[in-house]
Amino acid sequence: DTEVTQTPKHLVMGMTNKKSLKCEQHMGHRAMYWYKQKAKKPPELMFVYSYEKLSINESVPSRFSPECPNSSLLNLHLHALQPEDSALYLCASSQDPGTGVTEAFFGQGTRLTVV
Amino acid sequence: AQTVTQSQPEMSVQEAETVTLSCTYDTSESDYYLFWYKQPPSRQMILVIRQEAYKQQNATENRFSVNFQKAAKSFSLKISDSQLGDAAMYFCAYRSDKTSGSRLTFGEGTQLTVNP
Repeated sequence: DTEVTQTPKHLVMGMTNKKSLKCEQHMGHRAMYWYKQKAKKPPELMFVYSYEKLSINESVPSRFSPECPNSSLLNLHLHALQPEDSALYLCASSQDPGTGVTEAFFGQGTRLTVV
Repeated sequence: AQTVTQSQPEMSVQEAETVTLSCTYDTSESDYYLFWYKQPPSRQMILVIRQEAYKQQNATENRFSVNFQKAAKSFSLKISDSQLGDAAMYFCAYRSDKTSGSRLTFGEGTQLTVNP
């Protein structure tokens, strides 16, 4: 199994709503990532979890709240978002470079629209 | 901080021809990994090819090969016998060797069009 599964695939939410994005992998990877991607732009790193601990927060606004309940699961809780937060949200996972598996595996993303 | 530069926002190639996408990067590290990812309209980021910096031999994967010049900090992707399915946004990416949770730094991307 070399898949990273993200749900939902599409999400439309109002600015006062609370919603969550979910990401799951069963490859035994110990690092998981959230990226935000605008159209025709590269992914921008938001958060990194390494061994279930938050290791990188790229100064993301507090209306985005990540959670890593276990080594296979990563959530992104959304609250009071703005229209400019509309984007593709990508989850990825990776293994320790020392294992020889150096690349990150990506999910298909959640297309988020904030209205 | 590492930076990755792709100087070609758009490229086009005729089906069955060869195309080369350019990528340069800047780093002070000696051990790292470089990748080319492909993102078709389906939006899933798919690994095309990877290169370990400690390996002098250029990586190849079927029709895809790289020209890795460590001293020049250059990492170009050559696609041979281009196919319609190769049309996508291509991102060059850098990853440090330091930790399991090291960030992947992307270039701005090159939109590749394949003409029939």
